[in-house]
Amino acid sequence: SQTIHQWPATLVQPVGSPLSLECTVEGTSNPNLYWYRQAAGRGLQLLFYSVGIGQISSEVPQNLSASRPQDRQFILSSKKLLLSDSGFYLCAWSPNRDEQFFGPGTRLTVL
Amino acid sequence: QKEVEQDPGPLSVPEGAIVSLNCTYSNSAFQYFMWYRQYSRKGPELLMYTYSSGNKEDGRFTAQVDKSSKYISLFIRDSQPSDSATYLCAMGSGGYNKLIFGAGTRLAVHP
Repeated sequence: SQTIHQWPATLVQPVGSPLSLECTVEGTSNPNLYWYRQAAGRGLQLLFYSVGIGQISSEVPQNLSASRPQDRQFILSSKKLLLSDSGFYLCAWSPNRDEQFFGPGTRLTVL
Repeated sequence: QKEVEQDPGPLSVPEGAIVSLNCTYSNSAFQYFMWYRQYSRKGPELLMYTYSSGNKEDGRFTAQVDKSSKYISLFIRDSQPSDSATYLCAMGSGGYNKLIFGAGTRLAVHP
């Protein structure tokens, strides 16, 4: 069966510091991968998606970036965090069908 | 106007009640519809997926889609305290499985 992992689970970072969140998927190959951000009491905002290694599409212009160095690894990064980057970051994968399956999430607080 | 509208609630019901959760949408290109359940501080879990107008039943859950009215519903029968969570509707029209999410409805089922 397929499993999706995210780490860290929680993170507290000062404004201006760098960020690296990691997502890995097990039990499947060539999945579509997604990064979402969920602000408190709001829906999910799609940040990036990837259909293959090195292929990244950005949905929202911001100071975040994403990379896919391996087939089942998706990384979300920032060089300098802003207060507005605080939120719940979710990675999801899709087996090229319609459904998406989410990881446990990373709660980021920028102080 | 948002593409997907969902009443944020909160919705509070007694155990055993029938719960009705709804979303409306404006984009007639949406072809598939999903409901996710999200417990506090967890990633969303896919509950129901439907592709066409009509009803789809899975245990205590029934998903209903009315494409002519651009309206989808999730019914929960015999609600349990363990159903207390936020329910997110999501919909897509193809193209790398990009989904648009509602803001979520917070449901509380009290014993």
